[in-house]
Amino acid sequence: DQQVKQNSPSLSVQEGRISILNCDYTNSMFDYFLWYKKYPAEGPTFLISISSIKDKNEDGRFTVFLNKSAKHLSLHIVPSQPGDSAVYFCAAKRGSNYKLTFGKGTLLTVNP
Amino acid sequence: EPEVTQTPSHQVTQMGQEVILRCVPISNHLYFYWYRQILGQKVEFLVSFYNNEISEKSEIFDDQFSVERPDGSNFTLKIRSTKLEDSAMYFCASSEGAGAGDYSNQPQHFGDGTRLSIL
Repeated sequence: DQQVKQNSPSLSVQEGRISILNCDYTNSMFDYFLWYKKYPAEGPTFLISISSIKDKNEDGRFTVFLNKSAKHLSLHIVPSQPGDSAVYFCAAKRGSNYKLTFGKGTLLTVNP
Repeated sequence: EPEVTQTPSHQVTQMGQEVILRCVPISNHLYFYWYRQILGQKVEFLVSFYNNEISEKSEIFDDQFSVERPDGSNFTLKIRSTKLEDSAMYFCASSEGAGAGDYSNQPQHFGDGTRLSIL
């Protein structure tokens, strides 16, 4: 099931700089998108979401951008902090379904 | 902040035995889910549960699996006759709304998981 793809398995950035995590999807029926953060030995923690009727949603240091024509979304973290180091999952859902479809995740490392 | 709690954190079981994984969803949430993550693979949806019945299930969720809300707080996943390939992290999640026939999408909140090891 490759409907949600995170093509970068890892990303390393300096503290204070911007982190940009990318996600592509193939199912045009998806209309709700979420980002989760996961630390080792913990479950995914919800960060931010966006509905397909929007192209941007912002919450503090986190902003999600949605480009429906390109079937692409991205998560921007500004400024990045060492505590942001974790695996970030992109997930998508279609309105008539209940399930989330996840990407494989991107390991973000923020260096002090 | 309210959270989803799962017990046990680690379960070791002999192949062929039955296991029950337990979850306490967030108290005002109405939709409940189970997901699993096999080591090195994606998080996969198993089942969703609303109003005391299964609302959606994946092809993974066959007759070996069942879910139940035995009381007002717990939500359980039972796996009968476990197999080696059932070894995985099992995550419970809950949400206020689901967007499917509901007025709005609401994020699913996850517990820390139960690591199931089948020997």
